[in-house]
Amino acid sequence: QSALTQPRSVSGSPGQSVTISCTGTSSDVGGYNYVSWYQQHPGKAPKLMIYDVSKRPSGVPDRFSGSKSGNTASLTISGLQAEDEADYYCCSYAGPSYVFGTGTKVTVL
Amino acid sequence: EVQLVESGGGFVQPGGSLRLSCAASGFTFSSFWMSWVRQAPGKGLEWVANIKQDGSEKYYVDSVKGRFTISRDNAENSLYLQMNSLRAEDTAVYYCARVSAYFDYWGQGTLVTVSS
Repeated sequence: QSALTQPRSVSGSPGQSVTISCTGTSSDVGGYNYVSWYQQHPGKAPKLMIYDVSKRPSGVPDRFSGSKSGNTASLTISGLQAEDEADYYCCSYAGPSYVFGTGTKVTVL
Repeated sequence: EVQLVESGGGFVQPGGSLRLSCAASGFTFSSFWMSWVRQAPGKGLEWVANIKQDGSEKYYVDSVKGRFTISRDNAENSLYLQMNSLRAEDTAVYYCARVSAYFDYWGQGTLVTVSS
């Protein structure tokens, strides 16, 4: 049950795109199409942004997209906006448990 | 509107116990798996435990096995986490979350502080 590996931080200017990677193993990310991504602003509860690798819940802007290749999942934020500055966590089902990523701080320059 | 409201957090000495509660509303509670997820101060998210709709299956992260017990009362639309033999490393905000192979709704969290 080791945490999934994410970069500690990424940054970009408004309007640019950033991509956050999430690396696991064949027992979690690579083994299931149940990768999800969460946005967390300081002092707030996490918010679901992507589920089932690439699906967006209602209300989440289409600037957020997800993908997966092998044991690595990715979250891309296109057209970066100031309100996107937050911590982001990936999560994978690891039958029957769940494992989160180490978290990535996104900074909007 | 889906709402999850945690309670029961507080300050406890090492070796002590606490029972967290999560009151659910706005959805059919008995139809969903439920989870507890925690976040230590300044740290990342950690899945703690899951419970099946009827309570017949429960799963835990290794670090809490034998010390924590997840349970639910579908008649009261409530989720619980009994925490025994608490350690300093259990200090965290504890969130309850609805599970659909992902965590689609979260409560606001309740802080548990374990310290002497």
